[in-house]
Amino acid sequence: AQKVTQVQTEISVVEKEDVTLDCVYETRDTTYYLFWYKQPPSGELVFLIRRNSFDEQNEISGRYSWNFQKSTSSFNFTITASQVVDSAVYFCALSDYGGATNKLIFGTGTLLAVQP
Amino acid sequence: EAEVAQSPRYKITEKSQAVAFWCDPISGHATLYWYRQILGQGPELLVQFQDESVVDDSQLPKDRFSAERLKGVDSTLKIQPAELGDSAMYLCASSPIGQINYEQYFGPGTRLTVT
Repeated sequence: AQKVTQVQTEISVVEKEDVTLDCVYETRDTTYYLFWYKQPPSGELVFLIRRNSFDEQNEISGRYSWNFQKSTSSFNFTITASQVVDSAVYFCALSDYGGATNKLIFGTGTLLAVQP
Repeated sequence: EAEVAQSPRYKITEKSQAVAFWCDPISGHATLYWYRQILGQGPELLVQFQDESVVDDSQLPKDRFSAERLKGVDSTLKIQPAELGDSAMYLCASSPIGQINYEQYFGPGTRLTVT
């Protein structure tokens, strides 16, 4: 069965600190997709990134970077020089490839609080 | 920028009453999803539509929940009768057709409280 685990339920940092959010996944599929979403207090989920299982290159987008390691089934997310606006719940999600559905399996989320 | 619209944003209802939520996906998005998010948890898929057809409703409690997307555009999710355990955020998402595992765009959600 597919499963996503985010062991960090809450993280609190001071502005400008770097922070890494951990994500570990389980799947029997050899081809799959991984996602990160941000959920601010307003409630809607904001898409951040999608990676497929063939591409293990790390990715950087501004202050955000992602480290995908198939060997450890992890897809970790780092925010560099955190800002108060980064405060939100962050979800990691997994989807199989080419199935009849594109169902996303979400982790339980990590609440990030960035203090000024 | 196109967005997924949902209404109402908040709903308070009494146990055993009927309640309905509406979702209008991004124009041209053929795939529509309804997720339920219980406080402190990640969203869980309730039902997925491809145009007007149901692709996956395996997690939909069919004794009390129903969903429709009659013309393949907007969608309604209904609960009848509501139970205390249905209190949650109901999120609608859409994604374009033909893009396997394309990102899903989420609406603002409807927060349901059952008293």
